Amino acid sequence: EIVMTQSPATLSVSPGERATLSCRASQSVSSNLAWYQHKPGQAPRLLIYGASTRATGIPARFSGSGSGTEFTLTISSLQSEDFAVYYCQQYNNWPPWTFGQGTKVDFK
Amino acid sequence: EVQLVESGGDLVQPGGSLRLSCAASGFTFSSYAMIWVRQAPGKGLEWVSAISGSGDVTYYADSVKGRFTISRDNSKNTLSLQVNSLRAEDTAVYYCARGRTSNWYDWFDLWGQGTLVAVSS
Repeated sequence: EIVMTQSPATLSVSPGERATLSCRASQSVSSNLAWYQHKPGQAPRLLIYGASTRATGIPARFSGSGSGTEFTLTISSLQSEDFAVYYCQQYNNWPPWTFGQGTKVDFK
Repeated sequence: EVQLVESGGDLVQPGGSLRLSCAASGFTFSSYAMIWVRQAPGKGLEWVSAISGSGDVTYYADSVKGRFTISRDNSKNTLSLQVNSLRAEDTAVYYCARGRTSNWYDWFDLWGQGTLVAVSS
C-alpha cells in the first residue's frame, strides 16, 4: 500500500497570501495524483488530477506540480472561500486508493 | 443537475447492519465506476469500496472485507453499500463518488454530501 503524507497539518494564511501545501508518496506514483478541497458539511471537490491539470471550473489560482514522490499544491492568492482541508490522493497503484491525512488551511 | 445524494445512515448498535444508498442523477450512471469513501470523526478520507460501471468488478479495503458489500442497480441509477457486523471504528460519514470511466477509477470528480453512520451501544 502506498502511504501518502501531507505537510504541514495546519497552514495559517492571510487572505491574499500564497499557500503552499506538500504531499509525499512512500513510493513513486508517477503523475497519478489528485488534490481535493473539503469544507465541513460539504462534498469534497476535485481540484487537480494528473498532478497538474485543473479540473473543470477550478480557478487558475490553484496549481499543482511534482511527479514521482513529491507534489505541491499552490494557491497563489488565498480567497476567503479557500479556507478548507486539502487532501492528496494517489491512483498509480490500486486498490487501495490512498489519501493523505489532509492539510487544514485556516485564517491567520 | 449532475449530483449524488447519499442516504441510509443511522445510529446502530455494535454488530448491527445498515444499507447505504447513493442516488445518481444528471449523467449516464452505468458509464462510470463508483466508490465509497468514509471520514471518521476528526480523521481524513479513507477509501472503503469500489465497483465498475457494469457492476462485475468490486474492490474492498482490508478493514471492511467480508463485512461490507457494494452493489449497483444501473436501471435505477443507484449505488448501495450493505454494511454488516458494524464496529465502533466504522463510525464515519460515508461518501459516494464517481470514477473517471466505467473501468478506470483514477480520480473522483463528483461526490455526494455524505451520510452519517454512528455505531454505539
